[in-house]
Amino acid sequence: EVQLVQSGAEVKKPGESLKISCKGSGYNFATYWIGWVRQMPGRGLEWVGIIYPHDSETRYSPSFQGQVTISADTSITTVYLQWDSLKASDSAMYFCSRHSTSYSSGDYWGQGALVTVSS
Amino acid sequence: EVVLTQSPGTLSLSPGETATLSCRASQSVGSHYLAWYQQKPGQAPRLVFSGTSYRATGIPDRFRASGSATDFTLTINRLEPEDFAVYYCQQYGSTFGQGTKLEIK
Repeated sequence: EVQLVQSGAEVKKPGESLKISCKGSGYNFATYWIGWVRQMPGRGLEWVGIIYPHDSETRYSPSFQGQVTISADTSITTVYLQWDSLKASDSAMYFCSRHSTSYSSGDYWGQGALVTVSS
Repeated sequence: EVVLTQSPGTLSLSPGETATLSCRASQSVGSHYLAWYQQKPGQAPRLVFSGTSYRATGIPDRFRASGSATDFTLTINRLEPEDFAVYYCQQYGSTFGQGTKLEIK
C-alpha cells in the first residue's frame, strides 16, 4: 500500500529554523517525484515545489524560490521541506504528494503537517 | 505563470442535482496537463481527474471532466452527500485555481 506519512505539527518562533518530513512507503521511492503544497488557514492550495529523490533534481514555484529548501534522503525514503528563518506568514498546513513525473498530478497525498509560527 | 480562475466561487445545490464547475486558464494549458482535486474539511486533497479527463481510482463515473486549451469543466451528475467539498484545478507542476466550494443547499 502506497503511503506518505508526514511529521507532526510544529510551533516555532519567528526567525527559527524548521525541517518537516514526508516519508514514503509501499512503492519504489526513488523513482517518483514528491511535491509540496501550502495551504494557509482558510485559503486555497499553493504549489511550493517538487523533487526527484533519485538525483535530487528540484523545481520551485517562483513564489517560493529562495524561501524554502526541498531535499531528499533515499536511504530512509524521506523528503524534507525546510526553512532557515521562519516568518509568521509561513504558518500554514503543508502537504506532500507523489507524482510520476515533475509535470503530473499528485496521486497520493500525505496527511498534512501544520506549521505555526508565532512569537 | 499561468493563472487559473475557477467559477463559481461557491455552488449551492441539492443532492441529486448536477454540478458544473469551470476552470479557465490565462493562457493555453495542454489538455494532458490539467488535474482536478477534491478536498474535504480537515483532509488532504484527493485526485479526481488527471490529464483533463482521466478519472482517478475510486472516483465514480458520475464525475466527468472535459476541456482543452483555456477552458475546462468538471461535471458531477446526481450529486451524493459525499460529493460536497472544495474542488481545485491545477496545471501540472504549477498553479492551482482558487477553488470552488460545492455546498449543500
